[in-house]
Amino acid sequence: DIVMTQGVLPNPVPSGESASITCRSSKSLVYKDGKTYLNWFLQRPGQSPQLLTYWMSTRASGVSDRFSGSGSGTYFTLKISRVRAEDAGVYYCQQVREYPWTFGGGTKLELK
Amino acid sequence: EVQLVESGGGLVQPGRSMKLSCAASGFTFSNYGMAWVRQAPTKGLEWVATISYDGSSTYYRDSVKGRFTISRDNAKSTLYLQMNSLRSEDTATYYCTRRALDYWGQGVMVTVSS
Repeated sequence: DIVMTQGVLPNPVPSGESASITCRSSKSLVYKDGKTYLNWFLQRPGQSPQLLTYWMSTRASGVSDRFSGSGSGTYFTLKISRVRAEDAGVYYCQQVREYPWTFGGGTKLELK
Repeated sequence: EVQLVESGGGLVQPGRSMKLSCAASGFTFSNYGMAWVRQAPTKGLEWVATISYDGSSTYYRDSVKGRFTISRDNAKSTLYLQMNSLRSEDTATYYCTRRALDYWGQGVMVTVSS
């Protein structure tokens, strides 16, 4: 199985600052079509997860351009610009390159 | 508006069975693959199973293979998860999602305990 490992944020993050969340995969997530099959989600307290980005860097419908995904085949970053109160929660990366799909352990973002 | 509404959860004894349903609306259900993702209390997300748009292909995580069955009724726009031989480690909130994971239901809690 592909193991997804997420980094820790130095919480709390001051409102208005930027935050970067890292994620590493044990195998390249680049498929033969050239796309990188890496998703990012935000789960706010008490809510269902929300898809933020897919194919590593494509924002999902309705997602603020303050969220941007980047990376290589095995190392990924989700950058949140001008952090706001509604950004608080747990962020998950996930690979859908192959089955079984696997998630990272989550990175908590707290705001100051 | 896309809506996914799960039902069928609750308390069940170890070794017993339970069937979850997910009623879909707001999109053409028969055009989309679907999936179940679960989350144990205070834990992270865990993919459970995926089914193709027509039900011809299914995929499972190893820990549920042979015990859980994902299925769908496109005429009823409904996704199912039949769970047999339930274990305490299956205790979780189960979410129904589209295969692209772009829409999620509110989740349904399953508690396996004697």
